[in-house]
Amino acid sequence: DVKVTQSSRYLVKRTGEKVFLECVQDMDHENMFWYRQDPGLGLRLIYFSYDVKMKEKGDIPEGYSVSREKKERFSLILESASTNQTSMYLCASSFPGASGNTIYFGEGSWLTVV
Amino acid sequence: AQTVTQSQPEMSVQEAETVTLSCTYDTSENNYYLFWYKQPPSRQMILVIRQEAYKQQNATENRFSVNFQKAAKSFSLKISDSQLGDTAMYFCAFQAGNNRKLIWGLGTSLAVNP
Repeated sequence: DVKVTQSSRYLVKRTGEKVFLECVQDMDHENMFWYRQDPGLGLRLIYFSYDVKMKEKGDIPEGYSVSREKKERFSLILESASTNQTSMYLCASSFPGASGNTIYFGEGSWLTVV
Repeated sequence: AQTVTQSQPEMSVQEAETVTLSCTYDTSENNYYLFWYKQPPSRQMILVIRQEAYKQQNATENRFSVNFQKAAKSFSLKISDSQLGDTAMYFCAFQAGNNRKLIWGLGTSLAVNP
């Protein structure tokens, strides 16, 4: 089975802190994604990566950055956390290239910024 | 721009009955894929069913089937013999044939009652 592992399920951080959310997948997927999920807003794409060191902005990249130094790992970084970044963050991965491939999700990371 | 609309924010069904979740989408593409994903209370999102737009036959996966109406741009999900474990948020998603990104609906929260 494909496994997408998010290192932290629940985090509480202070405003202004730098926050790292880590995601690792074990299926050699080229594509990796970070989504944010909020009630009533569905899933919104923050960033995605289609190869090591490659990244593209999604729909809401402001306030976030990402790092993909190794194929299996995709990190989301909040440079200076703010209360409006309190949310559930979902990491996902998929096979490369052709569309229609299944996206595999992690269990999610609940981030609270106080 | 492509959009995905799920018009039913919440639904409920009695155990063993059948329920249909609606999804409509808007696109000018001819080659695309449609998905239904399920997110149970444990929060890990999983693929329920996938439909390729070029296939006329509706996809089925055990108790889950779709009614794909390409001309009407409709992609509803039918769950037969509903089980308590079907209680979840269901997301409809669209992917153009040449795009790595998915466009997501806002979700339908389904409660299966005993």
